[in-house]
Amino acid sequence: NAGVTQTPKFRVLKTGQSMTLLCAQDMNHEYMYWYRQDPGMGLRLIHYSVGEGTTAKGEVPDGYNVSRLKKQNFLLGLESAAPSQTSVYFCASSPDLRTGRSGELFFGEGSRLTVL
Amino acid sequence: AQSVTQLDSQVPVFEEAPVELRCNYSSSVSVYLFWYVQYPNQGLQLLLKYLSGSTLVKGINGFEAEFNKSQTSFHLRKPSVHISDTAEYFCAVSDVYKPGGFKTIFGAGTRLFVKA
Repeated sequence: NAGVTQTPKFRVLKTGQSMTLLCAQDMNHEYMYWYRQDPGMGLRLIHYSVGEGTTAKGEVPDGYNVSRLKKQNFLLGLESAAPSQTSVYFCASSPDLRTGRSGELFFGEGSRLTVL
Repeated sequence: AQSVTQLDSQVPVFEEAPVELRCNYSSSVSVYLFWYVQYPNQGLQLLLKYLSGSTLVKGINGFEAEFNKSQTSFHLRKPSVHISDTAEYFCAVSDVYKPGGFKTIFGAGTRLFVKA
């Protein structure tokens, strides 16, 4: 079972460069999320999606954009990377309310991004 | 607004000793509560969850947690830890938000270090 797959796992960017992180899930989950993890701050929600074609802002959306053109994919884009965006990024998905697994998140293994 | 406070950033403990990782939360609505574990260089995985019913919930690897509504706490416990329990543990709270899906807020994490 692949579950939630993130690519790439590592990336180094220069300030001002752009890039896209791809998240793919094979569990037919409705909801998908992008978090960033920084030391001592836990995970902070960047953007989320409650279904194909829909996205919404989380706690720290500035500097990021997302798209969910297909149910199984959730893309996180950085248009002009800044050193403050150096972090580990986690994608997660969750099933909808009718499955009985309310609120449980399934995580990818993370993508470590360094912006120089 | 929801918030989660994990009262200890690091907890060192000897192997086979009991451990308690403390978590307090605040929310204006009914919530679901979770503990996730993160092993080095991996994503998070669910340890246990409280949705409703019995306030004592059991999870994987011998962990359990008790929901205390009056104290707004959800402390994680294990009677006897192993070296393999060394990891970072995250308390999380979620509620149902419109237009659907779950918004999950994480604490800053507690690093459990089990010593031989």
